[in-house]
Amino acid sequence: EPEVTQTPSHQVTQMGQEVILRCVPISNHLYFYWYRQILGQKVEFLVSFYNNEISEKSEIFDDQFSVERPDGSNFTLKIRSTKLEDSAMYFCARVQDTEAFFGQGTRLTVV
Amino acid sequence: GQQVMQIPQYQHVQEGEDFTTYCNSSTTLSNIQWYKQRPGGHPVFLIQLVKSGEVKKQKRLTFQFGEAKKNSSLHITATQTTDVGTYFCAVLSNDYKLSFGAGTTVTVRA
Repeated sequence: EPEVTQTPSHQVTQMGQEVILRCVPISNHLYFYWYRQILGQKVEFLVSFYNNEISEKSEIFDDQFSVERPDGSNFTLKIRSTKLEDSAMYFCARVQDTEAFFGQGTRLTVV
Repeated sequence: GQQVMQIPQYQHVQEGEDFTTYCNSSTTLSNIQWYKQRPGGHPVFLIQLVKSGEVKKQKRLTFQFGEAKKNSSLHITATQTTDVGTYFCAVLSNDYKLSFGAGTTVTVRA
């Protein structure tokens, strides 16, 4: 199964701090996605990233969020100044032949 | 993205029994996908349906797409403890973005 690796698996941060979540695909795909899942709730689309540019973003993805592919392989989601309500699981995903493959996720806890 | 509603939100099932979870939309869907998320895990793709009235089976799981392509169902027979988790339906847009339903969380009584 095509893999998407995410690091760290768990991140605890203080409110107002910056966090960077990382996603490493196993192959050089062009389309990547970030999703968020608040505990016990549904999976929500954040942003899609195509060919090193944001393709689409949701209303959740405000100015506090940014995505980059800094070295052509790693794919990062940055939250500049975390809020308590940013606590959630963050999943990176890629799509191959209409099937989405999700990473294991990063559990972000803002305290 | 297209909105899909899932019912029930929770399903408590006796081991060995059958259950069904439903996914509904007010608009015609181009496709419907189903994912399973184990507790503490990530969504895992199960199936995609694209044709009106389509029925697909995976062992004890039966997936159906309605004739009007506005609803879908997942039926599990002879529930096992390994079926525990949350089942999401989702719609894949033309730009490969997924819009998820709220999910049905299944617990199994042994």
